[in-house]
Amino acid sequence: AQKITQTQPGMFVQEKEAVTLDCTYDTSDPSYGLFWYKQPSSGEMIFLIYQGSYDQQNATEGRYSLNFQKARKSANLVISASQLGDSAMYFCAMRGDYKLSFGAGTTVTVRA
Amino acid sequence: GAVVSQHPSRVICKSGTSVKIECRSLDFQATTMFWYRQFPKQSLMLMATSNEGSKATYEQGVEKDKFLINHASLTLSTLTVTSAHPEDSSFYICSAGSGAFSYNEQFFGPGTRLTVL
Repeated sequence: AQKITQTQPGMFVQEKEAVTLDCTYDTSDPSYGLFWYKQPSSGEMIFLIYQGSYDQQNATEGRYSLNFQKARKSANLVISASQLGDSAMYFCAMRGDYKLSFGAGTTVTVRA
Repeated sequence: GAVVSQHPSRVICKSGTSVKIECRSLDFQATTMFWYRQFPKQSLMLMATSNEGSKATYEQGVEKDKFLINHASLTLSTLTVTSAHPEDSSFYICSAGSGAFSYNEQFFGPGTRLTVL
């Protein structure tokens, strides 16, 4: 069985600063994938970044980077230079057993 | 990226009626479609996985007679909420994948907000 844990229900960040969203996971499958999605108030799920379990380097996509620590089973998302448009709910998800399992989510509010 | 649409985006219905939600992959063939349910401020919960031409696989605790899923073509899957009740009010999101490893990448629809009065 897989489990994704996001322990931060909500976070505030000042505009232009960086923010780290925590995600830990548990799986017995040696091959898995980790995703981060952004969900603004409109409800759409926006794919941000992906990390495969065998990837040697941490994934980066523009202002998003994934701090993958396999031994600790963590896959934290770092958003650099926060913008007001980054205010949304963020979900960590893990691919396994032919489906995605989502964490509880973290609400990020960016302050001007 | 691939585009997935959902229709309707919002629906309000009376208790006891049935509601059908469509999920379409617009520019690719979706061998697998997934249906999720999301309550306010909560996570997405997978309801069922459907493969084109075969019966859907429901997650534990999801009533298959209540939530009817049909995946009749490679571009269309439908979710019918039968005899809807207020507790069925929720945000329903579909996603679609293609290829042998459909779980590897899923493209999400914009969601359907269902309100049952």
